[in-house]
Order: sequence, then C-alpha cells, then structure tokens
Amino acid sequence: DAMVIQNPRYQVTQFGKPVTLSCSQTLNHNVMYWYQQKSSQAPKLLFHYYDKDFNNEADTPDNFQSRRPNTSFCFLDIRSPGLGDAAMYLCATSRYGTSAVTQYFGPGTRLLVL
Amino acid sequence: GIQVEQSPPDLILQEGANSTLRCNFSDSVNNLQWFHQNPWGQLINLFYIPSGTKQNGRLSATTVATERYSLLYISSSQTTDSGVYFCAVEVFTGGGNKLTFGTGTQLKVEL
Repeated sequence: DAMVIQNPRYQVTQFGKPVTLSCSQTLNHNVMYWYQQKSSQAPKLLFHYYDKDFNNEADTPDNFQSRRPNTSFCFLDIRSPGLGDAAMYLCATSRYGTSAVTQYFGPGTRLLVL
Repeated sequence: GIQVEQSPPDLILQEGANSTLRCNFSDSVNNLQWFHQNPWGQLINLFYIPSGTKQNGRLSATTVATERYSLLYISSSQTTDSGVYFCAVEVFTGGGNKLTFGTGTQLKVEL
C-alpha cells in the first residue's frame, strides 16, 4: 500500500545533542511537509518542500533544518534540541497540481528531550 | 494569518449518541479537510470538503464556504470514535498547499 513512513516512531535525545528524524513516501507526491505538534495543541507547519524548493515558515526557529535528497525522502534535523522541542513531529505529503490536493500524514515521531 | 476555531473544545458522549462538531474560519479558503487523530497520534483523513456535503458511513460533513464554516456529524457514536477531531483549511501558495489547523475537539465516547 502506498503510504507515508516515519522513523523512528519514538526518539529520545539529550539536551543539545543533534537529532535527525526521517520520512519516506511511496505516493510519488511532489510536496513534503514537516509539522510540529506539542501536547494538547494543533499541528503547526514548520516548512515544506515543493519538489526541491524549500519553503520555510517565518516563525520556524533556525534550530530546525530540513533536507530532501530525492522525491521519496525528507529529513528533519534539530541542531541543538531544547526541552521545549519535545513534541510529536508529523510528516505529510501531497500531490500539488491536481484538483484534489489532500495531505496524507505519517504516523509521527514522538521526540523526548532529556 | 487565517484563524480557525472549533467548537466545542471537549465533548463526552454515551455510545450510540449523535454529535455535531463545528469549524469556523476567518477568511476565504481554497479547501478544507477534517481529520481524526487517534490516541496514538496518527492523523487520519476523514473528508476533503471545500463545499457541499459528503457522507462516509456514520460520518458526514458539510461546508458552507460563503459563510466560512464547516460541520462534522457523527451518528451512533462508538468508543473507537474517541480522539481529537481537527479541521484544517487550505490556502494555495506558489509552492504547494498549506494547511492551517483548527483548535481541535477532544471527543470521548463512553460505554
């Protein structure tokens, strides 16, 4: 089945230690998104890639970076995680350019910062 | 930016009851999606509904874009319906569609 896959599902890191979260998709979608969701809050868009073009949200901290080496994969890098970065990180994809532009979400990676 | 408000924020139902969740948005949007987030955090697409009415089993949704609101109806609720329901509005940009999520409705269905 075509899907959005995130690894790992749970990640524990230390304060200040860089961490990378991974997302892959088999939907062949041209847009990939990263959202941050803190406890009891709605998901918040961090940035997205439209093909190879990176689009950062104005209020996304510089501590968050992303890479998209090919159509199928996208990575979220947190350079120096703080306690406030503990959250669920959700990856999503969409096929921009068609009439129905539904976003499909992966299962998420829950990040804990110690 | 666009504001998306959902009501009620919390809802407790007895199994078998019906409910209506509301989503109001502050500006014109291209499209709207409803999601169910299960207790494990997975966001599940329920409806993609820019306007009109759609039905899928016990769930249905109506969007009145001109009046900037959408409704999600849950009939004969089951315990598996528990979780958080989000609406999200979509605004096209030059480089992909962007979703802004509403504040969510936390639903608990009890036996």
